[in-house]
Amino acid sequence: GAVVSQHPSWVICKSGTSVKIECRSLDFQATTMFWYRQFPKQSLMLMATSNEGSKATYEQGVEKDKFLINHASLTLSTLTVTSAHPEDSSFYICSAREDRGNQPQHFGDGTRLSIL
Amino acid sequence: AQKITQTQPGMFVQEKEAVTLDCTYDTSDQSYGLFWYKQPSSGEMIFLIYQGSYDEQNATEGRYSLNFQKARKSANLVISASQLGDSAMYFCAMREGGSGSARQLTFGSGTQLTVLP
Repeated sequence: GAVVSQHPSWVICKSGTSVKIECRSLDFQATTMFWYRQFPKQSLMLMATSNEGSKATYEQGVEKDKFLINHASLTLSTLTVTSAHPEDSSFYICSAREDRGNQPQHFGDGTRLSIL
Repeated sequence: AQKITQTQPGMFVQEKEAVTLDCTYDTSDQSYGLFWYKQPSSGEMIFLIYQGSYDEQNATEGRYSLNFQKARKSANLVISASQLGDSAMYFCAMREGGSGSARQLTFGSGTQLTVLP
């Protein structure tokens, strides 16, 4: 079945560091990928929609300069948390859906980000 | 207004029993899709079942079935013969627009299911 690979699975780093998270669709093309953030015991909140070859669409309240999204190919989107601070600590999860037909979104395994 | 509502923050069920997790939705689109995902404590999101708004029959996938009541705008998940491994958070989600829509999923707040031995 369709697989989405997300890397790294967890990151611990110092405040002020920039962290890049990769999301790859392994066996299908995805023009659109989605980035979510999830706090403990809460639901997934959409941060942005990543569009191949064009700018990402950010949800209200999400800082574009803080969360940089690049979708350079049909199988790869990256989220960079720039100058991360402790309040950016969270679980980040990406998803992708095959461009053809009526397919569900497939999720990566998520990235646990801890900023010290 | 909430687009997806899950009114049960937590549910308990005895092993081998069936359990129903509630989900209601709100949309003005005629074409939409409803999804259920399972999230164990490890964090990954596992797709369980899908129901299209034009599907006349309730979706079934193994022990999972979706009780789709369009007029009531509900899409409850039924898990039959619960297993200990079913203990997890369950999210109901909706995608508005047609089958080719690239629109995002909107998630409910989730239901934490605990299966008791």
